[in-house]
Amino acid sequence: DAGVTQSPTHLIKTRGQQVTLRCSPKSGHDTVSWYQQALGQGPQFIFQYYEEEERQRGNFPDRFSGHQFPNYSSELNVNALLLGDSALYLCASSPPGFGYTFGSGTRLTVV
Amino acid sequence: AQKITQTQPGMFVQEKEAVTLDCTYDTSDQSYGLFWYKQPSSGEMIFLIYQGSYDEQNATEGRYSLNFQKARKSANLVISASQLGDSAMYFCAMREWAGGGADGLTFGKGTHLIIQP
Repeated sequence: DAGVTQSPTHLIKTRGQQVTLRCSPKSGHDTVSWYQQALGQGPQFIFQYYEEEERQRGNFPDRFSGHQFPNYSSELNVNALLLGDSALYLCASSPPGFGYTFGSGTRLTVV
Repeated sequence: AQKITQTQPGMFVQEKEAVTLDCTYDTSDQSYGLFWYKQPSSGEMIFLIYQGSYDEQNATEGRYSLNFQKARKSANLVISASQLGDSAMYFCAMREWAGGGADGLTFGKGTHLIIQP
């Protein structure tokens, strides 16, 4: 049984560009959350999707947006990239009830 | 104020010794949950152990146990008989239930644990 799958694993973008990161949740999980982890820091909660809607949002600007599809997979979009957006982006899925399974992340570098 | 505080940026421990990683938290909610995750260099966050705020007994999972002191708002992770493979970053995290439904985790800054042979 595959766990949480994220793509791509690494990405290099230029300032001002837009990026889309993808996440496939673990089988049986219907909720997807996204986190940003800057180098040397703990992950910070970006937002959570459930039933194709954003259910909760952390302290991130509107440049960060997302989507959840009927098959529960999710995308994270970041517009107008800044150097400070360079980080590891983690996706976590959870089943109805309790528990979180994290993917290995997408490492985004903005140059 | 920080919601999760991990005061040990790095720790060196001899193999087979027990190690305690500190975590204090700040919340006004009565209902919350505390988690510990391990993050090796690959980046994946690996779940280790969970403690609910209403759980009266300390959680245990194999070599991992959580020393939960509610009055002190402390949730330290104890790893018994440490192994070389335990070398990694360790994060304490909290979920607060007051908002109802949504459940983003708040993480600390982590402790880099290095097990020495």
